[in-house]
Amino acid sequence: TQLLEQSPQFLSIQEGENLTVYCNSSSVFSSLQWYRQEPGEGPVLLVTVVTGGEVKKLKRLTFQFGDARKDSSLHITAAQPGDTGLYLCAGGAALGSQGNLIFGKGTKLSVKP
Amino acid sequence: NAGVTQTPKFQVLKTGQSMTLQCAQDMNHEYMSWYRQDPGMGLRLIHYSVGAGITDQGEVPNGYNVSRSTTEDFPLRLLSAAPSQTSVYFCASSYSLTNTGELFFGEGSRLTVL
Repeated sequence: TQLLEQSPQFLSIQEGENLTVYCNSSSVFSSLQWYRQEPGEGPVLLVTVVTGGEVKKLKRLTFQFGDARKDSSLHITAAQPGDTGLYLCAGGAALGSQGNLIFGKGTKLSVKP
Repeated sequence: NAGVTQTPKFQVLKTGQSMTLQCAQDMNHEYMSWYRQDPGMGLRLIHYSVGAGITDQGEVPNGYNVSRSTTEDFPLRLLSAAPSQTSVYFCASSYSLTNTGELFFGEGSRLTVL
């Protein structure tokens, strides 16, 4: 059974600080997605990475897929209160359908003004 | 744009009651799915569908039924509610049948079973 471990589980920081959250597995994934979920809403896709070593940037967010495609990280520069939310990673097995997408348990981020 | 619409947003049931959570999407997506989200457990797949008339089980299907008679609708039925089914339920759809495609989620339905 493929599992995705996210760390830390909770993170509380001040506005302006940098942070990194991690998504790790002992299994290889063909793709890795990151979603952000705000209270009372459904998750919203931030990025999809499919190539080992791939780095994608979305404004102040930097996403990296590990060379071996077993891990990923999300780095936020100069965090803002609007970044507050639950960050979920989701891994897809090779040639897999959406039914094979596995979600991690999430990192709950709180950015205080 | 409506996207994925779930109803009801909140529901309280007594043990043994039945109910249906509704999900509708207006994006003509072939793929639709139901997840439950529990504290500390992340999102777990209940059932999914790759098109009208086709459904399959996910990770936690017991106690739930689904059907897909149209592309737009994918209702989730609880036949005999149990306290273990207290959760927040999310419906999601996608234009892609592969796991690199974006999932579009509804706002969730919070269910409490007493």
